[in-house]
Amino acid sequence: NAGVTQTPKFQVLKTGQSMTLQCAQDMNHEYMSWYRQDPGMGLRLIHYSVGAGITDQGEVPNGYNVSRSTTEDFPLRLLSAAPSQTSVYFCASSPPGGTGELFFGEGSRLTVL
Amino acid sequence: GDSVTQMEGPVTLSEEAFLTINCTYTATGYPSLFWYVQYPGEGLQLLLKATKADDKGSNKGFEATYRKETTSFHLEKGSVQVSDSAVYFCALTTGNQFYFGTGTSLTVIP
Repeated sequence: NAGVTQTPKFQVLKTGQSMTLQCAQDMNHEYMSWYRQDPGMGLRLIHYSVGAGITDQGEVPNGYNVSRSTTEDFPLRLLSAAPSQTSVYFCASSPPGGTGELFFGEGSRLTVL
Repeated sequence: GDSVTQMEGPVTLSEEAFLTINCTYTATGYPSLFWYVQYPGEGLQLLLKATKADDKGSNKGFEATYRKETTSFHLEKGSVQVSDSAVYFCALTTGNQFYFGTGTSLTVIP
């Protein structure tokens, strides 16, 4: 029972580099989302998707792109990393039916130098 | 817009002490309310939830009651254990977006 799987767990980038954080879930959840967690700020929603082919912006979308070509995968792309994007990133999914429960991955710690 | 405000931490308690972590919310519509817990090095996991006014969520000895009149969802536990040491997040959703509080770190000492 894999649940929500995020890769990589740790990454160091230089300013201006690009990278993709991968997220996959095997629970057939329609809803998937990306959060960043910063000290004193809690979790803030970056982007979310309610199904394949549908994405929308959250609270802090600038500097990030997403796509949803399959139900299982929801990658988060940083096109030109900045030090302000140093954070811990969490992917989360939610089952249909309106229960509202989010299932989280273990997180990806990104450092931008 | 929708938001959650929760008690600042950190909180340090002795084992078997009573725990309260305050959470209040602002929302348009009728939100569902949640408490999530995050253990060191892990992602968040659902602790309990309540979907309508006066509902009480409970799990592992923790409880929280959805109070519409005071827009609150305070987390309580009668007797904490060392294993309860973690960060606790209050959260709400009214649809496709979830809003989290800043988290309250709890340390329980033997």
